[in-house]
Amino acid sequence: GNSVTQMEGPVTLSEEAFLTINCTYTATGYPSLFWYVQYPGEGLQLLLKATKADDKGSNKGFEATYRKETTSFHLEKGSVQVSDSAVYFCALSVLNRDDKIIFGKGTRLHILP
Amino acid sequence: DVKVTQSSRYLVKRTGEKVFLECVQDMDHENMFWYRQDPGLGLRLIYFSYDVKMKEKGDIPEGYSVSREKKERFSLILESASTNQTSMYLCASSPALGRMPNEQFFGPGTRLTVL
Repeated sequence: GNSVTQMEGPVTLSEEAFLTINCTYTATGYPSLFWYVQYPGEGLQLLLKATKADDKGSNKGFEATYRKETTSFHLEKGSVQVSDSAVYFCALSVLNRDDKIIFGKGTRLHILP
Repeated sequence: DVKVTQSSRYLVKRTGEKVFLECVQDMDHENMFWYRQDPGLGLRLIYFSYDVKMKEKGDIPEGYSVSREKKERFSLILESASTNQTSMYLCASSPALGRMPNEQFFGPGTRLTVL
């Protein structure tokens, strides 16, 4: 079946540090991959996406590359800010009858000033 | 600006009460979803709907039902609330099957406490 595994948190970093949050997936077919972010007290919002192998999604300084050979979609940012503190969800979607998205369990990120 | 709205941000109910959570989207999306979010468990799908009057069970439908009488509105119903249904409830919508890449748009969530 389809599944997403992401690193457990919480992850605590100092401001301006480099961030990596690991995400690997298992999927039948050719999935689209997503990173969603949930800021405190809010719902999820799409951060970035990639629809095919070797695509790079990017937004707000975050990047993730769709690696089919390693079934990975790791999230990276070169210099984090306090405002990046949030929960990050890796997710996949394989077009089929039910249009569902499979989410990872989320990684909580704390950025210290 | 596209929007998914949920009727309440915070709700407190008593055990045994019937609870209605309402969700409305203004994007003319065919698909709508209800999730619950709990610490350490991530998002779990309760029910979803492809179209008006259609519904499908998700991973944890027990104790819940849904109603979709209009395209823009999807209601989650707790027939007899229990304390283990205390959670954050998130509604989402997405365009129909075949429209890549199937992004879902989320509401702000309803934090339900059952006493």
